[in-house]
Amino acid sequence: DQQVKQNSPSLSVQEGRISILNCDYTNSMFDYFLWYKKYPAEGPTFLISISSIKDKNEDGRFTVFLNKSAKHLSLHIVPSQPGDSAVYFCAALRSGSARQLTFGSGTQLTVLP
Amino acid sequence: DAGITQSPRHKVTETGTPVTLRCHQTENHRYMYWYRQDPGHGLRLIHYSYGVKDTDKGEVSDGYSVSRSKTEDFLLTLESATSSQTSVYFCAIGLREANVLTFGAGSRLTVL
Repeated sequence: DQQVKQNSPSLSVQEGRISILNCDYTNSMFDYFLWYKKYPAEGPTFLISISSIKDKNEDGRFTVFLNKSAKHLSLHIVPSQPGDSAVYFCAALRSGSARQLTFGSGTQLTVLP
Repeated sequence: DAGITQSPRHKVTETGTPVTLRCHQTENHRYMYWYRQDPGHGLRLIHYSYGVKDTDKGEVSDGYSVSRSKTEDFLLTLESATSSQTSVYFCAIGLREANVLTFGAGSRLTVL
């Protein structure tokens, strides 16, 4: 029973356009959410995070939105660049859980030049 | 890679043999984790450690054991490897920033 779900295994976007990656969760105890990016043959790298007390967090081209009532978060990348092509993982955790991250299955983003 | 080294990076072994993967950190972080990555499952937590000799199970701990005799080293052992344990294994440490984990480059294990 996956508590964090990424229902789109892949997404293709034209360079310069917006990429929107989605993530849903079922555990209402989750109160912190993260996005990781992963290139082939490398470990995941932290991208951006958001606490449940906020509904938006922005860092340069990357913005994460959180809708707690819908148990949904999304990552927006604007503008998309070919170097953004990677697998993106959504992760969630509950405070006090020794940072045990629960990950989604990932979305492969391809940015076409 | 924030001072995390995983070894070996690649290993091929046969069913029934023991395997140990090593994670070494130079950051003196208290928390260390072992995850496995499989298609369609993302990353799943195997075991984690919150200090020397302090470890606990994660979501998919069956068939795995861990040890942490020093702050800098966290070992993952497959006592008798099975084909279902063919995977990419990632070690992670907890950074000073709250709730963010930093991952190593991974160890690809193939069990024939």
